[in-house]
Amino acid sequence: TQLLEQSPQFLSIQEGENLTVYCNSSSVFSSLQWYRQEPGEGPVLLVTVVTGGEVKKLKRLTFQFGDARKDSSLHITAAQPGDTGLYLCAGGVWGSSNTGKLIFGQGTTLQVKP
Amino acid sequence: DAGVTQSPTHLIKTRGQQVTLRCSPKSGHDTVSWYQQALGQGPQFIFQYYEEEERQRGNFPDRFSGHQFPNYSSELNVNALLLGDSALYLCASSFPPTNTGELFFGEGSRLTVL
Repeated sequence: TQLLEQSPQFLSIQEGENLTVYCNSSSVFSSLQWYRQEPGEGPVLLVTVVTGGEVKKLKRLTFQFGDARKDSSLHITAAQPGDTGLYLCAGGVWGSSNTGKLIFGQGTTLQVKP
Repeated sequence: DAGVTQSPTHLIKTRGQQVTLRCSPKSGHDTVSWYQQALGQGPQFIFQYYEEEERQRGNFPDRFSGHQFPNYSSELNVNALLLGDSALYLCASSFPPTNTGELFFGEGSRLTVL
């Protein structure tokens, strides 16, 4: 059974601080995605990484895919209250028998205080 | 360009009843996946529909069934509702072929079973 473990589960920080969220698994994934979800809404895709060691930046957010494609991290620089939300990592395995199932981590709830 | 739309947004049922949730995919998308998200957890894959057939299924009992129509819209049916079925049900659409698994989510249907 493929599992994705996210840590920490809850994070409460002050505006301007930096933070890192981790997503770990013992399984190899073809791709790893990060989503952000706000209360009462569906998850919104932030980024997709597909190559081991890949690093992508989205303004103050930096995403990295582990060399072995088993783990990923999300780093936020100078967090702002607008970053508050539930961050989800999701892994996909693609092949002839697997055509679209994503495995989600349990999520990291981030609260950024002004 | 309309995104993924789901209905109803909220509903309350009692144990033993049946429920039908509906989803219209994003324009141009032909694949629909359903996920269940319990409070404080990440989404869990229920099943995926493509070309009006269930292509892949997660670890959910037969009480959960679905359908996809020729216009790519989809329904999720749950019979003999249990208290534990209370959750946010998310519909996501995509357009294969893709090896990145990017999904576009609707806002979800919040089901409460009393």
